[in-house]
Amino acid sequence: GQQVMQIPQYQHVQEGEDFTTYCNSSTTLSNIQWYKQRPGGHPVFLIQLVKSGEVKKQKRLTFQFGEAKKNSSLHITATQTTDVGTYFCADNTNAGKSTFGDGTTLTVKP
Amino acid sequence: DAGVIQSPRHEVTEMGQEVTLRCKPISGHDYLFWYRQTMMRGLELLIYFNNNVPIDDSGMPEDRFSAKMPNASFSTLKIQPSEPRDSAVYFCASRGSLAGQDTQYFGPGTRLTVL
Repeated sequence: GQQVMQIPQYQHVQEGEDFTTYCNSSTTLSNIQWYKQRPGGHPVFLIQLVKSGEVKKQKRLTFQFGEAKKNSSLHITATQTTDVGTYFCADNTNAGKSTFGDGTTLTVKP
Repeated sequence: DAGVIQSPRHEVTEMGQEVTLRCKPISGHDYLFWYRQTMMRGLELLIYFNNNVPIDDSGMPEDRFSAKMPNASFSTLKIQPSEPRDSAVYFCASRGSLAGQDTQYFGPGTRLTVL
């Protein structure tokens, strides 16, 4: 079935460094969502991308949807310790349900 | 709105016992999802309902797992008999079906430990 692959699985950065996680699909996605899960918490919705080539920003976070709608990325500029957690992309192509990637776990050294 | 409510938050049980997890979705949401999360397998969709009807249960691992949604405000996930490999965090999530309601709202999860 539909799968979204996320890389890297883990990322360790020094506070202030940038961070990027990538989400890839072999098929065209109708839209993609990004979620963040803090350690010990539950996934929380961040944003949804729908249009080809779409770029959205939330403060230090930049989300991008590829031109072919087969990939997406989340970039964090100047990471802070509050950014720690696991970032998931989710494919909403199938009506009703979302298929989640395996997530990228970010740790930030102060 | 209180968000998605799950109970219990923590459950410790012995192998062979029956476990029932409960979920109250956000009022007005007509989709409900049950997920399981482990370090090894990540976030897995077990089953989801639309308007209280199970739509896709292909993620349910075995016959030991069953889920019901008797009404729009309540769902259960039952494991009988439980096994140590069922230890995981189980999340319930809900969403609406109108345009712009694609977001899934997750509950706090139930951390299940089977000894």
